[in-house]
Amino acid sequence: NAGVTQTPKFQVLKTGQSMTLQCAQDMNHEYMSWYRQDPGMGLRLIHYSVGAGITDQGEVPNGYNVSRSTTEDFPLRLLSAAPSQTSVYFCASSYLSGQPQHFGDGTRLSIL
Amino acid sequence: QQQVKQSPQSLIVQKGGISIINCAYENTAFDYFPWYQQFPGKGPALLIAIRPDVSEKKEGRFTISFNKSAKQFSLHIMDSQPGDSATYFCAAKDNDMRFGAGTRLTVKP
Repeated sequence: NAGVTQTPKFQVLKTGQSMTLQCAQDMNHEYMSWYRQDPGMGLRLIHYSVGAGITDQGEVPNGYNVSRSTTEDFPLRLLSAAPSQTSVYFCASSYLSGQPQHFGDGTRLSIL
Repeated sequence: QQQVKQSPQSLIVQKGGISIINCAYENTAFDYFPWYQQFPGKGPALLIAIRPDVSEKKEGRFTISFNKSAKQFSLHIMDSQPGDSATYFCAAKDNDMRFGAGTRLTVKP
């Protein structure tokens, strides 16, 4: 049982580049979510999904896209990277909507 | 602005002591109050949680105290150990989970 797997673990991008952060879970959880963690700010919700084909915006969605074609996968796309998106990104899953239970180990993203 | 205010930012406790972390909120729609523990380089892990109809919940050395009228809740770690050294986040849920800013706990041997 792998839980929640995030790739890559580290990434450096240049301003304006795009990339996709991958997230996969093997617990058959319907609810999945993406957070960013910045010093002194805790975790802030970017986007979430309550099941395949259903996504919605969280607190800080601008500059990010998501899709949910399967129960297992929930990728996060940065459309045109900006230095303000330098952060640590966490994906989480749960069988209960709005209550993240299992987190991945994060992707540390630097935008130059 | 932070919907859940957490204090202190950092805390140093001697081994065997009691660690206390406090959180406050304003939104009365919050109906679930978890605490998460995060070690360096890892994602947060759900530690313990409480609902507002209960004033206290204990799991091993970890206790949540909840004061609904004051809109405050706190985490108490009894007999703190060096292995408890981590960052702790309180959170509160309405439709989504709102996190506090975190407390970095160091337990000195």
